[in-house]
Amino acid sequence: QQPVQSPQAVILREGEDAVINCSSSKALYSVHWYRQKHGEAPVFLMILLKGGEQMRHEKISASFNEKKQQSSLYLTASQLSYSGTYFCGTEGKGNSGYALNFGKGTSLLVTP
Amino acid sequence: KAGVTQTPRYLIKTRGQQVTLSCSPISGHRSVSWYQQTPGQGLQFLFEYFSETQRNKGNFPGRFSGRQFSNSRSEMNVSTLELGDSALYLCASSHLSTNEKLFFGSGTQLSVL
Repeated sequence: QQPVQSPQAVILREGEDAVINCSSSKALYSVHWYRQKHGEAPVFLMILLKGGEQMRHEKISASFNEKKQQSSLYLTASQLSYSGTYFCGTEGKGNSGYALNFGKGTSLLVTP
Repeated sequence: KAGVTQTPRYLIKTRGQQVTLSCSPISGHRSVSWYQQTPGQGLQFLFEYFSETQRNKGNFPGRFSGRQFSNSRSEMNVSTLELGDSALYLCASSHLSTNEKLFFGSGTQLSVL
């Protein structure tokens, strides 16, 4: 049930773009994105609820294709502050209560 | 508004012992979730409580248990500790239910020797 994230790690230069993918083998109700900086707690970025709906957080946007059970996180014109580990969390259909299954994370390093 | 508070911040235990971790959610939040974070596996869901009731449980052995009190504070307990239980345990709270953002605490770093 754990979603699969790709790539596992990426190194960017400041100003470059990146895409992080998240896919699930299970039907999804929603996809959540979090970022965790080293030694800190994960911080919420956005939730995507409907197929094809795009959300945005600063210069970070995301899409959710419900039919393909996939989500992608787009980091545009990356900044040094974007460095960290990005996790997607998925909530399956039929769940009672709140249970997010997180992927293993994508480590992003933005260099000057 | 105070954030999610977890205590203690660090713990060192030996195999076979038991441990209790505490989590105080943001005031007004009724849902508390627990996650185990390890370098190789990322964040793994342990359980979720809402109004003192466990609504969901992840795929962990029965040695892992938890509870929630009437003031929404939560505790998790791990009995008969194993070396593989060494991890960062994160607590997260949300206001009501699903599709809301989680607010994570800084976690309790547990080392089992």
